[in-house]
Amino acid sequence: DAKTTQPNSMESNEEEPVHLPCNHSTISGTDYIHWYRQLPSQGPEYVIHGLTSNVNNRMASLAIAEDRKSSTLILHRATLRDAAVYYCILRGNTPLVFGKGTRLSVIA
Amino acid sequence: DTGVSQDPRHKITKRGQNVTFRCDPISEHNRLYWYRQTLGQGPEFLTYFQNEAQLEKSRLLSDRFSAERPKGSFSTLEIQRTEQGDSAMYLCASSLLVHATDTQYFGPGTRLTVL
Repeated sequence: DAKTTQPNSMESNEEEPVHLPCNHSTISGTDYIHWYRQLPSQGPEYVIHGLTSNVNNRMASLAIAEDRKSSTLILHRATLRDAAVYYCILRGNTPLVFGKGTRLSVIA
Repeated sequence: DTGVSQDPRHKITKRGQNVTFRCDPISEHNRLYWYRQTLGQGPEFLTYFQNEAQLEKSRLLSDRFSAERPKGSFSTLEIQRTEQGDSAMYLCASSLLVHATDTQYFGPGTRLTVL
């Protein structure tokens, strides 16, 4: 499985945008970039995914570099409810391989 | 609510006992995955099904673990002769694979404690 590199932790103030980076220099042409998050004491939750173009949904935006070797998950206005571990995962139709993710703290 | 459900939510057992967990996926989802998560770690893949066929098993899945999805709907995960190292959260997820990738929806998990 192609590997991803994410910062261990990040901090954000409430109602400010958050940019969560992910490096994946060994990504293959068929790998989709998936983001999941896990809130405390809950199962993981799908956030967004993309292949080549930037993607937006009601939860977040995904900005993918032109060479696809990195991507950024953007939360437009962080709320306390967004405090979670965010996982960046490369895959096609294979099971999810979770790394350590980025623990996001949101400060009121 | 028509999300993924898991039963039981908590299970405490003594070492050496057998336990069985159940997962009910979202209706119409053709894929069902089992993961295990220990404290402070990300979930680890155990096995998955497409309809009733078990397509892959992780090397983590010892022969004490068995999973079934008899009619392509609900699934069971059985652990025989439990060990203390089996204590973990067992997560189930389901998805509908129609293209080259799928979105997995997770259940709340079953927390197993082996005494």
